[in-house]
Amino acid sequence: GQQVMQIPQYQHVQEGEDFTTYCNSSTTLSNIQWYKQRPGGHPVFLIQLVKSGEVKKQKRLTFQFGEAKKNSSLHITATQTTDVGTYFCAAPYGNKLVFGAGTILRVKS
Amino acid sequence: DGGITQSPKYLFRKEGQNVTLSCEQNLNHDAMYWYRQDPGQGLRLIYYSQIVNDFQKGDIAEGYSVSREKKESFPLTVTSAQKNPTAFYLCASRGTGMNSPLHFGNGTRLTVT
Repeated sequence: GQQVMQIPQYQHVQEGEDFTTYCNSSTTLSNIQWYKQRPGGHPVFLIQLVKSGEVKKQKRLTFQFGEAKKNSSLHITATQTTDVGTYFCAAPYGNKLVFGAGTILRVKS
Repeated sequence: DGGITQSPKYLFRKEGQNVTLSCEQNLNHDAMYWYRQDPGQGLRLIYYSQIVNDFQKGDIAEGYSVSREKKESFPLTVTSAQKNPTAFYLCASRGTGMNSPLHFGNGTRLTVT
């Protein structure tokens, strides 16, 4: 079936260090969405990327969509303890939205 | 406030019993979804509905059933045929347009013993 591969599965960083999670698809995507799920919570929409090579920023978060629209990344600069949680990418396949496995981020203060 | 309400937050059942999870939304969204979340596996789609009185199987529909009699409601029944029902269940809805983001409820954590 349709798959969106996301790595790494888990990352533990020192507060102030950077963090990056990557998503890859074998097929060209019309768009890709990113969600954040805090521990014990539910996924919350962060952003959507649509254009080839698109880069969007939200404060310390930078989102990129690859030129071929097959991969995407989320980069957090100078992580803070409030950044902890699981970050998911998601891509549409027909009427369905398929999620990556997520990257769990833990931040040591 | 507009949103999605899932109830209950925690649910415990004995093996062999059917159980129904509630999902209600007042966002006036046509599309609704049920996902299952297990550690390390992300979110897997169980069923989805694009419009009232219509629904489709997702990737892991076996052992589950749904109904969509009202726009606001999309209950999920976990039947005794589901071999590993213990999980975190998330309901979501989406507005018009294929690029619209999903809005999630707070989830129901089901434990079957």
